[in-house]
Amino acid sequence: QQQVKQSPQSLIVQKGGISIINCAYENTAFDYFPWYQQFPGKGPALLIAIRPDVSEKKEGRFTISFNKSAKQFSLHIMDSQPGDSATYFCAATVSGNTGKLIFGQGTTLQVKP
Amino acid sequence: SQTIHQWPATLVQPVGSPLSLECTVEGTSNPNLYWYRQAAGRGLQLLFYSVGIGQISSEVPQNLSASRPQDRQFILSSKKLLLSDSGFYLCAWSVWRIREKLFFGSGTQLSVL
Repeated sequence: QQQVKQSPQSLIVQKGGISIINCAYENTAFDYFPWYQQFPGKGPALLIAIRPDVSEKKEGRFTISFNKSAKQFSLHIMDSQPGDSATYFCAATVSGNTGKLIFGQGTTLQVKP
Repeated sequence: SQTIHQWPATLVQPVGSPLSLECTVEGTSNPNLYWYRQAAGRGLQLLFYSVGIGQISSEVPQNLSASRPQDRQFILSSKKLLLSDSGFYLCAWSVWRIREKLFFGSGTQLSVL
């Protein structure tokens, strides 16, 4: 119940295309769903996050879509660029001082020029 | 502004040797501190977290230990390294009471040979 399942494991997209990464969770108590971006040899950095009271959040070219009934959320990268090539992790937690982030397995994205 | 320092960046150690990785946070007080391990091509595994000096919670049984001798210092140790301890070790911090937003260090790539 504590797992977050992420797919696909790897993704290749042409420059200008849309990259889509999906995650699914079981624990209905989760109320915070962030995405982290990690470049090779670096630590992950918070990219964008959503709470279940909204179905979509957009920041620039990055959009999170959230489906509470299906317990799924996804990251869409519009107009993908070679600089977006990185590993992306979804995560989920119960917010506050007791929750711990549960990470998905990660998706390695390669954007070809 | 807050910064997190983690060192060394890379480390090659023989099997059976000791380990000490250090992490310090600047610009904040009483942070929550975390050690994660990322195996090649895999997700982020939480190893230890700490909500205060001397307070350590272990997430998985293993060959490693953690200590927090000062408010903003977190140390990961081992008395005798195993081959399976190889991986990318990440230190992270979060604001007290806001555990869901993690800020990661740049990581240590540990190779046990």
